[in-house]
Amino acid sequence: GDSVTQMEGPVTLSEEAFLTINCTYTATGYPPLFWYVQYPGEGLQLLLKATKADDKGSNKGFEATYRKETTSFHLEKGSVQVSDSAVYFCALLYSSASKIIFGSGTRLSIRP
Amino acid sequence: NAGVMQNPRHLVRRRGQEARLRCSPMKGHSHVYWYRQLPEEGLKFMVYLQKENIIDESGMPKERFSAEFPKEGPSILRIQQVVRGDSAAYFCASSPGVDTGELFFGEGSRLTVL
Repeated sequence: GDSVTQMEGPVTLSEEAFLTINCTYTATGYPPLFWYVQYPGEGLQLLLKATKADDKGSNKGFEATYRKETTSFHLEKGSVQVSDSAVYFCALLYSSASKIIFGSGTRLSIRP
Repeated sequence: NAGVMQNPRHLVRRRGQEARLRCSPMKGHSHVYWYRQLPEEGLKFMVYLQKENIIDESGMPKERFSAEFPKEGPSILRIQQVVRGDSAAYFCASSPGVDTGELFFGEGSRLTVL
């Protein structure tokens, strides 16, 4: 079935460092892909999305490009801030459109 | 416009008791999803409901767990005869439809089973 695989965490970076969190997917066709973020003590919120192959999603300085050749949707940010510390989840819309499937999450900690 | 409201935020139960978790979706949203997050793990899909209908319950344990979304009132996730392994954060999400794929999450209900 459809699934999402994320890089293991935790990831610890210094402020202003470059961030990449890897995400690959297995799916029938080319489903919409998402990155959600979960700040401490809160529910998830949508960070960005790409609805079809070759699309690029972007928000708050984060970017991810839907690459069908490598079945990947890696999250990047050029210069991270302490406020970016959170858990990041890659996700896809299941083929039957009945649910969103999430990866296991990657905890990101940014030190000043 | 209020977001997704879940209550209680924290619930403590002893083994064998029942837990009821409630979720009021965002105004105008008729699709509700329940996910479970075990400590230090990702979110696992449990069930997807529309008003008065269970659309997909492929992630629900076969026993002790049930969910409903009545015509009036919040969606309820019910866990009977809780066990320690049920301790987790239970998140509800809503959406206006399936096509967008964007879910709006509540802050979660954290169940602790003693």
